[in-house]
Amino acid sequence: DAKTTQPPSMDCAEGRAANLPCNHSTISGNEYVYWYRQIHSQGPQYIIHGLKNNETNEMASLIITEDRKSSTLILPHATLRDTAVYYCIVRPWYNNNDMRFGAGTRLTVKP
Amino acid sequence: SQTIHQWPATLVQPVGSPLSLECTVEGTSNPNLYWYRQAAGRGLQLLFYSVGIGQISSEVPQNLSASRPQDRQFILSSKKLLLSDSGFYLCAFDIAGQPQHFGDGTRLSIL
Repeated sequence: DAKTTQPPSMDCAEGRAANLPCNHSTISGNEYVYWYRQIHSQGPQYIIHGLKNNETNEMASLIITEDRKSSTLILPHATLRDTAVYYCIVRPWYNNNDMRFGAGTRLTVKP
Repeated sequence: SQTIHQWPATLVQPVGSPLSLECTVEGTSNPNLYWYRQAAGRGLQLLFYSVGIGQISSEVPQNLSASRPQDRQFILSSKKLLLSDSGFYLCAFDIAGQPQHFGDGTRLSIL
């Protein structure tokens, strides 16, 4: 079973920010938060990860609450190509065989 | 740069036939390797992982097996396919502590 809870679906207007929430209330101190996305019929694509500080890269920003029980992935200017299923995963940094993918959030970016 | 290749992209096999799916990684040495299966509309299920040549760990009992004959080669096999083996099979790799990266997957249909 996944250790995270995400809404099953979300819509976003093209050009607007997409904010995808994730609850991980049972996260342990040595567990990171990872985000992946999966475009239809392709393998999951790594987006970003973090431990407790907010992170930003060329794809997205990750905001982790101070108590680390939830996080938000932000796509600052969503495009139609960002339509995908987004997965939030928590796992210890040293144990990659504990990657538990849940059902994720299906983000639809609309023109 | 590090890349991962999976083939074939799609495969249609009759019930009872054998299976061999291959995955190779380039641009790194001694990667951890993983096989996942994804049922339609579901999250990923970890099937096997390997931390070195000849070392295979199985996560779920099933009709499949895995082998790692070379450092950067991971093979998923079956002697006799079942209808329930249909799905989207994904290979992934990582280097200790780094995010996993996935191949483009093989869509397997059993008739």
